[in-house]
Amino acid sequence: QKEVEQDPGPLSVPEGAIVSLNCTYSNSAFQYFMWYRQYSRKGPELLMYTYSSGNKEDGRFTAQVDKSSKYISLFIRDSQPSDSATYLCAMSGVGFQKLVFGTGTRLLVSP
Amino acid sequence: DGGITQSPKYLFRKEGQNVTLSCEQNLNHDAMYWYRQDPGQGLRLIYYSQIVNDFQKGDIAEGYSVSREKKESFPLTVTSAQKNPTAFYLCASSIGGRGTSTDTQYFGPGTRLTVL
Repeated sequence: QKEVEQDPGPLSVPEGAIVSLNCTYSNSAFQYFMWYRQYSRKGPELLMYTYSSGNKEDGRFTAQVDKSSKYISLFIRDSQPSDSATYLCAMSGVGFQKLVFGTGTRLLVSP
Repeated sequence: DGGITQSPKYLFRKEGQNVTLSCEQNLNHDAMYWYRQDPGQGLRLIYYSQIVNDFQKGDIAEGYSVSREKKESFPLTVTSAQKNPTAFYLCASSIGGRGTSTDTQYFGPGTRLTVL
């Protein structure tokens, strides 16, 4: 079993839809949770960074962490064709530890 | 204009040849990382460095080597011992430093290596 599981998709939605992207994990020591967006043939760019449980909102994006269920989510409101990309979750424990990445979910938003 | 640069963007290599991928950052970050990305496997850590003149193996270091002689630079050499080198290689950096809490990693644009 992988430490971090993420559905590869693709997830296809119409423009304006609310998108929910998710990751599950098995290591209860994870405290830091991140979401990266990666366009085709580009490097990942950081979207959201959260510590421990709770919600964090930034514009159309909301990150949610449920440590009791070992489950994290990224919600995208009013999705746009420019949101079409692969979304990677990443997480790590306390101290200088390596990030563990999910395999990424490919999102396609059609006009 | 601060950021991470990787060169070249595309690289072709014949089997049996060593090749070096460049990574430079002007963010004044202490920590730097090399990842490999393959379809369906996500990012896998090859090597990382927390400070100059020090680096550690990641999960898939075999067939790779690195150096960290300057804070700004962390080149990766893919040697002929790497059995399956064709992949997308990503360099990242973070504020880092020994004993600090986890901080976010910022990625370069990547180098796509193809072995012919």
